[in-house]
Amino acid sequence: KAGVTQTPRYLIKTRGQQVTLSCSPISGHRSVSWYQQTPGQGLQFLFEYFSETQRNKGNFPGRFSGRQFSNSRSEMNVSTLELGDSALYLCASSTLPGLAGTDTQYFGPGTRLTVL
Amino acid sequence: QQQVKQSPQSLIVQKGGISIINCAYENTAFDYFPWYQQFPGKGPALLIAIRPDVSEKKEGRFTISFNKSAKQFSLHIMDSQPGDSATYFCAANGGSGNTGKLIFGQGTTLQVKP
Repeated sequence: KAGVTQTPRYLIKTRGQQVTLSCSPISGHRSVSWYQQTPGQGLQFLFEYFSETQRNKGNFPGRFSGRQFSNSRSEMNVSTLELGDSALYLCASSTLPGLAGTDTQYFGPGTRLTVL
Repeated sequence: QQQVKQSPQSLIVQKGGISIINCAYENTAFDYFPWYQQFPGKGPALLIAIRPDVSEKKEGRFTISFNKSAKQFSLHIMDSQPGDSATYFCAANGGSGNTGKLIFGQGTTLQVKP
């Protein structure tokens, strides 16, 4: 079974631009969660989508948004990029979050975003 | 109440030794505690996970000890190998909504010397 895939793997943008990152979950997984990883703040939860609905959102500004499609693929968007948005953005998928035995989250390799 | 505190920040262990990483949490609603291993340039990979109804879980050289009353859990890596050198994250899930929201500790960089 293929793992979680994220595209692109690397991205360089300038301040003020916007960016869209893509995540394809493991086949059969309906939940996709996004995390931001930085050296200073560690791994922080951005949001989670399940069956095309956002179920939970972390403490990030409205410039960070996401969506999930009917095939469970997900995208996240960051508008008006700031230098502090430079980070590794990780996507994780699971079958059924909150249900013992199916809530393991499997991470993709991440997208390394650099904002200049 | 949503925090997970992890220590130490870094750890150096000799090959064959025992590596111990500790985590503490506040929210008693947490009901799932995974440990992830991350190598440079890779995403975190699930190592082992535990639920509060058991006090210990062992998988190969990796053991989680869980103390529900103290709200602490720890990862023990027995017979540590240079290939175990990586960053380890504890995490917690559950609480209100039981959604796919993991709260991570700050991470521990482990170096195993040959």
